[in-house]
Amino acid sequence: SYELTQPPSVSVSPGQTARITCSGDALPKQFANWYQQRPGQAPVVVIYKDTEKPSGIPERFSGSSSGTTATLTISGVQAEDEADYYCQSSDYMGKYPWVFGAGTKLTVL
Amino acid sequence: EVQLVESGGGVVRPGESLRLSCVASGFTFGEYGMSWVRQVPGKGLEWVSGINWNGKSTGYTDSVEGRFTISRDNAKNSLFLEMNSLRVDDTALYFCVRVGQDESNNNWFDPWGQGVLVTVSS
Repeated sequence: SYELTQPPSVSVSPGQTARITCSGDALPKQFANWYQQRPGQAPVVVIYKDTEKPSGIPERFSGSSSGTTATLTISGVQAEDEADYYCQSSDYMGKYPWVFGAGTKLTVL
Repeated sequence: EVQLVESGGGVVRPGESLRLSCVASGFTFGEYGMSWVRQVPGKGLEWVSGINWNGKSTGYTDSVEGRFTISRDNAKNSLFLEMNSLRVDDTALYFCVRVGQDESNNNWFDPWGQGVLVTVSS
């Protein structure tokens, strides 16, 4: 079955830039979406279709993709950005099944 | 405001059944695909099942194929997940999610409900 690979954890100091990667063989052809989940809360989409940002998501969040790796970048990290981040995609033309990465815990030092 | 409210969770024994419901409001339910995503407490997200806008296309993750059935009632703005032959490893928080989609069939999940807890234990 298709898999998306994320680092288990990323740590940055406030004001620094955090980069969270997501690797998958189909990512050259399929978009990646990114979700933020704070403790005790439901996930929220922060980036969809590799680079698109929903309204209400702060400017410091951005996404990119190159080859088999998609990247979520948070510039000028704030304490409130400490959360779990999940990438999500599919392996063929958006068809089922849809897959999540295992998640990355972002710690703001 | 778009809202998704799940219900139907609870504690059941292995082998038993449960039906989850999700009532949507704040958008035209019949125009969107929907999905269920689950999360074992303290663990990651797992996509479980999806259904297109008219109910004619459905999909399941391998571990629930043949045991779970997703359905919808557009007249009642409702999504369902019928779960049979439940196993201990089905224990999780189940989220109802709306599927955003563009003209090229790219999909994303937005928004998410708050989730309903299903516990399977002997």
